[in-house]
Amino acid sequence: AQSVTQLGSHVSVSEGALVLLRCNYSSSVPPYLFWYVQYPNQGLQLLLKYTSAATLVKGINGFEAEFKKSETSFHLTKPSAHMSDAAEYFCAVSPFSGGYNKLIFGAGTRLAVHP
Amino acid sequence: NAGVTQTPKFQVLKTGQSMTLQCAQDMNHEYMSWYRQDPGMGLRLIHYSVGAGITDQGEVPNGYNVSRSTTEDFPLRLLSAAPSQTSVYFCASRRTGDMPQHFGDGTRLSIL
Repeated sequence: AQSVTQLGSHVSVSEGALVLLRCNYSSSVPPYLFWYVQYPNQGLQLLLKYTSAATLVKGINGFEAEFKKSETSFHLTKPSAHMSDAAEYFCAVSPFSGGYNKLIFGAGTRLAVHP
Repeated sequence: NAGVTQTPKFQVLKTGQSMTLQCAQDMNHEYMSWYRQDPGMGLRLIHYSVGAGITDQGEVPNGYNVSRSTTEDFPLRLLSAAPSQTSVYFCASRRTGDMPQHFGDGTRLSIL
């Protein structure tokens, strides 16, 4: 069965520092991969998606992620953190076996940004 | 363009009560889904639908019922609420060929 593992339930960085949120997936067939962000008391907003095109995917708000098949990883990065980036981030996989109709989420990583 | 609209935003129920969580989308999306979000567990798929009249179970379907009589609406029914169903519920939709799902703002449900 497909699964998603996000390493680190809480990550804290200084404003201006590099943001690195880790995501590893398990899937026998390369899936579609997503990163979503959730601000307090709001729904999920799509940051970026990987759908078998370019392995380096650029998203909104300066975030990007790189698909590495050999490592089954899809880590999210941002060169310089901003206070407004504080939120919870979810990595998700849409497996081919589910006809891409299902999203399987990781447990989430809460990002804190301090001055 | 309202997107995905969920009602109510908050609800408190007593054990054994029934209720329906409403979800409506105005984007003419074929696919709609219900997820529940619990601390430390991310979002888990409850039920989903690939079009009007077609529904299927997700990862955690027990205790929930759905129907899809129109493209726009996808209500989620709790038949007999249990404290284990205390959660935040999200509805999502997407169109054919468009992978990303669009999420509503959620319904926060507490069952006493």
